[in-house]
Order: sequence, then C-alpha cells, then structure tokens
Amino acid sequence: DAGITQSPRHKVTETGTPVTLRCHQTENHRYMYWYRQDPGHGLRLIHYSYGVKDTDKGEVSDGYSVSRSKTEDFLLTLESATSSQTSVYFCAISETGVEGYTFGSGTRLTVV
Amino acid sequence: AQKITQTQPGMFVQEKEAVTLDCTYDTSDPSYGLFWYKQPSSGEMIFLIYQGSYDQQNATEGRYSLNFQKARKSANLVISASQLGDSAMYFCAMREGLNYGGSQGNLIFGKGTKLSVKP
Repeated sequence: DAGITQSPRHKVTETGTPVTLRCHQTENHRYMYWYRQDPGHGLRLIHYSYGVKDTDKGEVSDGYSVSRSKTEDFLLTLESATSSQTSVYFCAISETGVEGYTFGSGTRLTVV
Repeated sequence: AQKITQTQPGMFVQEKEAVTLDCTYDTSDPSYGLFWYKQPSSGEMIFLIYQGSYDQQNATEGRYSLNFQKARKSANLVISASQLGDSAMYFCAMREGLNYGGSQGNLIFGKGTKLSVKP
C-alpha cells in the first residue's frame, strides 16, 4: 500500500463545533491534498500543500483551514462545522505533483 | 465552464462486452495530463490509466485503454471484456501545467460515470 492513512474514518459532529481531520503519509511525498466528494459533484479540491508550511486554497476552501507542520501530516480543520460540510473527505499525496495522486481511504463526516 | 465533462451519469454493460466511458476536457494549456480513476462501492480511489498531452500513442493498461483524440479534446476510457468487478464509479481527471511543476496545477475531476456490469 501507498502508506497514506486518514483518521478518523467516520465522524458525526454537531453544527458549530470544530472538527479536525488528519492525513498521515509514510512516503515522504512533497505534495498533499484535501478533496471533498459529494453526489453529483465528483471530487473538489479544498486545500493543498506543496511543502512543510506551504499551503494554498483550492476550489472550495471557504470554511476550511489546513496546516502542515511536518512532511508526513496534513490536517484539515472545520472551524465551525455546518450541515453543508457533510461529505466524504479524501486526502491524496503526490511525489512531484505531476503524476497521478494516491488517495487515502476517505473520512465520512456527518454534521447534524 | 467545466474543465472535465462526463456526460454519462450511469451506464450498463453486459459481462464480457466492451464499454466506452466518455470524457471531454477543456484547456488552453498545451501541456496537460489526463487520468482515469475507479471508485468501487467500498469507496477507495484507484488509479487506472494516464495519458499525457504529448504522448503519441494511446495509453493502455491491461483491459483498460484510453482513446485520446486531442483535436476533439476527448479522452474516453475503453474497458474490454467487462467483468462484474468493474461495476463502480469512474472518474476522469485532468492536470494542467505539467511544465511548471506541482504547484501550478492540481487534479481536476469530472462528476463521474456509474458503470454497472450485468451478468
């Protein structure tokens, strides 16, 4: 396996609470990504990182923040969860950013 | 405008037959890559095949081939001899700016096609 794990795998949280999802890789890849998947939308990029402490926004970044203090960890935080953030969240990694990505198993987040 | 368009929300195919999943893309960048991913019901994203914009030949990987028509901006996935295990969502994706390194362009996905293989 590619050595990418996401935690937790499932989470139910209440509206207005903060939530942090973790992506951990053992491949020492430079690039890491957070996507969300919703029916009828495919996968949409939330944020990405091209190195430690180097991050940038994707297509649907509102309401999300990220941090990358170590090569192996990329954290996605929902500061105040809303029902519209109910989704499946995928982390992905890439060595050079040019080739296809390797995806984690996903985190199913439900905001009630 | 959508960068990646998959016009078939769902498709059926008989087992052992071939099937083509459509994908059209929109870019003005001369250097780009096209990818296909499979997502079975278990949820993981599985990389299938890649085609670079400068590749002269269509990509093939086992039973998967990519019918790349650059002038038409299409990158259709062909699955030969369908199997029951091919039932899944299939996503077409594109990355622009291959000449500029990772931070210049990220993988953009279409909305997917759900393929069902009938026994």
